Amino acid sequence: DADVTQTPRNRITKTGKRIMLECSQTKGHDRMYWYRQDPGLGLRLIYYSFDVKDINKGEISDGYSVSRQAQAKFSLSLESAIPNQTALYFCATSDSSAGGYTGELFFGEGSRLTVL
Amino acid sequence: TQLLEQSPQFLSIQEGENLTVYCNSSSVFSSLQWYRQEPGEGPVLLVTVVTGGEVKKLKRLTFQFGDARKDSSLHITAAQPGDTGLYLCAGAGGSNYKLTFGKGTLLTVNP
Repeated sequence: DADVTQTPRNRITKTGKRIMLECSQTKGHDRMYWYRQDPGLGLRLIYYSFDVKDINKGEISDGYSVSRQAQAKFSLSLESAIPNQTALYFCATSDSSAGGYTGELFFGEGSRLTVL
Repeated sequence: TQLLEQSPQFLSIQEGENLTVYCNSSSVFSSLQWYRQEPGEGPVLLVTVVTGGEVKKLKRLTFQFGDARKDSSLHITAAQPGDTGLYLCAGAGGSNYKLTFGKGTLLTVNP
């Protein structure tokens, strides 16, 4: 089983619908992230959480919200989906005990969202 | 905002050729990571470089961190079809150690 699991893997929805993408991890890491990947734009950070009580906006948080339900679970919501939110979404984790530099990110397999 | 520019954006070569991918910034990074992403999967870490001037080798892959810690390169010797994928560099900087990703280099190695 994957250490970082994302559900659903694929989703097609309509404009205006509420969508939730879920992420769970078995790595025991304290830090979790949501990224968005678009062709030619690379990976852009939406939100990140360094522990259960810590939630921070990334560079493209508008139109998104998150919830850190437990150390192992971090969900991303689109309250009212729009077509330009069509993208590949990745959840990632890292371990703060990695030392004085940013530790390795461990990614899920991605959730492909299409908003019609 | 720290930016990382990767070049080239696309690279298609024949098996056995050598190639170099570049990652450049005007900002200083405390460390720099290289990831490879295959279709349908998330990125996977290849290497982390921390010290300016550092060179790391991973089989046929050689990674270098610039002396000023503003740039990095990935050199692949005798590329193989299994090297095909999206290569991403990511720099760490600032007080909270968030990563900034480059836009990636899509490498295709043809048999």
